[in-house]
Amino acid sequence: NAGVTQTPKFRVLKTGQSMTLLCAQDMNHEYMYWYRQDPGMGLRLIHYSVGEGTTAKGEVPDGYNVSRLKKQNFLLGLESAAPSQTSVYFCASSPQGSSYEQYFGPGTRLTVT
Amino acid sequence: GENVEQHPSTLSVQEGDSAVIKCTYSDSASNYFPWYKQELGKGPQLIIDIRSNVGEKKDQRIAVTLNKTAKHFSLHITETQPEDSAVYFCAARGGSYIPTFGRGTSLIVHP
Repeated sequence: NAGVTQTPKFRVLKTGQSMTLLCAQDMNHEYMYWYRQDPGMGLRLIHYSVGEGTTAKGEVPDGYNVSRLKKQNFLLGLESAAPSQTSVYFCASSPQGSSYEQYFGPGTRLTVT
Repeated sequence: GENVEQHPSTLSVQEGDSAVIKCTYSDSASNYFPWYKQELGKGPQLIIDIRSNVGEKKDQRIAVTLNKTAKHFSLHITETQPEDSAVYFCAARGGSYIPTFGRGTSLIVHP
């Protein structure tokens, strides 16, 4: 199993450009999450999904949109990138039920100039 | 909502020493407390977790303790090695499936 994969690994955008980050998991997990990680701020939840076709806002959702059209994929979109969105983005997934462990992807480093 | 405080933000130890990282949480309904290790350039990975019906759990050199009355839990690493150098995150998770993370502790183990 590949676990959780993220595409791309690195990206540089100009202010105002748009892009989509792709997260894929092959563990048949119900729940998927998008986090951003900034120095000294830990992991902050952007959006999450509890199943195919569902999404919900997390702690810092402004400027981002998500979609979960297929169970194995969770897309994070930036419609008009801003320098404040320069960060490392992590996707995670977890199974439903009593096991709460989250499995994280390797991250995407995004720079907005 | 849940609030998780983690201390210290940076911890520097000599190889062979013990390291302790402490977290406090605010929501008494939280019942699952995982610890993640993040190596440079990688995503966080679970190293140990504890549930609210257990006070202590140990896995080789790593142990976690939980005090539900005081709402705090701690990670203990004994006989530290250079490969233990990483950022460690605690988290608390209640009835929902959304954990709240601490801000992380950068552990540096000097050979």
